[in-house]
Amino acid sequence: DQQVKQNSPSLSVQEGRISILNCDYTNSMFDYFLWYKKYPAEGPTFLISISSIKDKNEDGRFTVFLNKSAKHLSLHIVPSQPGDSAVYFCAASAQNYGGSQGNLIFGKGTKLSVKP
Amino acid sequence: DAGITQSPRHKVTETGTPVTLRCHQTENHRYMYWYRQDPGHGLRLIHYSYGVKDTDKGEVSDGYSVSRSKTEDFLLTLESATSSQTSVYFCAIGGTSFNEQFFGPGTRLTVL
Repeated sequence: DQQVKQNSPSLSVQEGRISILNCDYTNSMFDYFLWYKKYPAEGPTFLISISSIKDKNEDGRFTVFLNKSAKHLSLHIVPSQPGDSAVYFCAASAQNYGGSQGNLIFGKGTKLSVKP
Repeated sequence: DAGITQSPRHKVTETGTPVTLRCHQTENHRYMYWYRQDPGHGLRLIHYSYGVKDTDKGEVSDGYSVSRSKTEDFLLTLESATSSQTSVYFCAIGGTSFNEQFFGPGTRLTVL
């Protein structure tokens, strides 16, 4: 049973436009959420995170929105650039519950292609 | 970049042979993790360690064992490799108290 779902395997966006990547979760104990970016033949790199006490976190061109009631988060990239083309993974954990609950649960990823 | 290296980076082996993958960190971090990445599955946790000689199972631990005799090294062993263990393996460090996990470059393992 998938606890973290990224229902869009791929997304194609024009350079300069907004990219919106979506993620849904089922476990109400999740209290910390992260986005990772992965290029081919490299390890995932941390992009941005958000705690459940917030509904928005912004870092430059990247903004993550959290809707706890809908158990949904999204990553907005504005403006999108060709270098943003990568696979994006959403991850969640139940940090406040300690132990193995603090481990990250990853979605299957969304491949973003930004076309010039 | 976090100081995480993985060795080997690529390996081809035959079914039934033992394989050990190494993860080495220079960050002196307490927590270390092994994941595998497969198409259609994202990243799945195999085992993790919360200190020297302290390890626990993750979501997909069957067929794998780990050891951590030093803070800086976390070893993943496939006692008898199977074709279903063909995958890309990532080591990560960190992850406690709202800290993000940082990943190594990965090891591509092919079991023939």
